[in-house]
Amino acid sequence: GENVEQHPSTLSVQEGDSAVIKCTYSDSASNYFPWYKQELGKRPQLIIDIRSNVGEKKDQRIAVTLNKTAKHFSLHITETQPEDSAVYFCAVSGGYNKLIFGAGTRLAVHP
Amino acid sequence: ETGVTQTPRHLVMGMTNKKSLKCEQHLGHNAMYWYKQSAKKPLELMFVYNFKEQTENNSVPSRFSPECPNSSHLFLHLHTLQPEDSALYLCASSPRDRGYEQYFGPGTRLTVT
Repeated sequence: GENVEQHPSTLSVQEGDSAVIKCTYSDSASNYFPWYKQELGKRPQLIIDIRSNVGEKKDQRIAVTLNKTAKHFSLHITETQPEDSAVYFCAVSGGYNKLIFGAGTRLAVHP
Repeated sequence: ETGVTQTPRHLVMGMTNKKSLKCEQHLGHNAMYWYKQSAKKPLELMFVYNFKEQTENNSVPSRFSPECPNSSHLFLHLHTLQPEDSALYLCASSPRDRGYEQYFGPGTRLTVT
């Protein structure tokens, strides 16, 4: 079945720096790649997604890039702010209405 | 955020108890999901329902029994659980035409004593 690996597991940056989280997957048939943000004690929330026919997508300070050949995709957060501190999960479509999630990255942004 | 609601938010139960978790979505979605979230582990998909029909059972032990009476409601019936079942149980829903866009509820924090 589909296998999703996410790195790093923890990431600490200074406010204003950039943060990059990377995920790799195994099933070349996967065609949808969302990222979720989960703040402490709250639900996971979809923050950005990308489909296999697109290489990059941006939404203000966040962007996702996809390399289908290498089977990896990354989340980029620029000009990080303390409110960006959370756990970020990547996911990959893995069948009819199924998402396979990565293990998560705990991002800490220090003022 | 009231699109997907879950009750109760916290639950403590003994191993011999029977309890149920409830999920309700107000988004007009047609698919609903149960996930288990344990510390330092990926979100684990448990069950998927499409139009009230179960389409996925991810090798979940029979002590977890889902029920989906209609497209807006999803239950997870629990009985004779083990301490290792303690986790956050998340419900999600997705629209028919964008099945991968999943919207999560706030979760039920379950502790099995």
